[in-house]
Amino acid sequence: AQTVTQSQPEMSVQEAETVTLSCTYDTSESDYYLFWYKQPPSRQMILVIRQEAYKQQNATENRFSVNFQKAAKSFSLKISDSQLGDAAMYFCAYRSFNTNAGKSTFGDGTTLTVKP
Amino acid sequence: EPEVTQTPSHQVTQMGQEVILRCVPISNHLYFYWYRQILGQKVEFLVSFYNNEISEKSEIFDDQFSVERPDGSNFTLKIRSTKLEDSAMYFCASTLDRGDTEAFFGQGTRLTVV
Repeated sequence: AQTVTQSQPEMSVQEAETVTLSCTYDTSESDYYLFWYKQPPSRQMILVIRQEAYKQQNATENRFSVNFQKAAKSFSLKISDSQLGDAAMYFCAYRSFNTNAGKSTFGDGTTLTVKP
Repeated sequence: EPEVTQTPSHQVTQMGQEVILRCVPISNHLYFYWYRQILGQKVEFLVSFYNNEISEKSEIFDDQFSVERPDGSNFTLKIRSTKLEDSAMYFCASTLDRGDTEAFFGQGTRLTVV
């Protein structure tokens, strides 16, 4: 079974600075998807960014980018120019290519605090 | 933009009572899911549902739980006799196809069992 590990329960960053959230996963599969979800205090799950394992290029979405290291099974999220609205719980998630699209395995989450 | 909606946003129920959580998936989606998140813990997969039957379920999804699509729009999760440990945030999600990249999540229902 796949596992997802987020080793940083809490992180903080100064507004306008850059922060990197770590995620590692364990799998024997070669095809899969990786996601970062944001969960603000409202508790809604918001997709931030996704990465297809077969793509070598790291995904980027505006201020959010990932560092995907397939051999190391590492998938970190970099938030540039942090804003107060970025404060939230961030979950890393894994989804096997062969499973239902909605069945993902989530990490324990990292709570990000943004200091003004 | 289409979205998954869940009702109610917060429900309080007494231990031993039955509770039904409701979800309206995106209208043309065919695959539906429930997840649970106990406060402060990770999001856990409960069940997936397609073509009016369960396609996959986790160990958490025991006989106390059931799902159904009673009409063409709603997708429900029923907990027959709630326990204190059922208190959690419950998320519904949906996808058009099994092979979609990712699922669309609803805003969640916070269930509090007292």
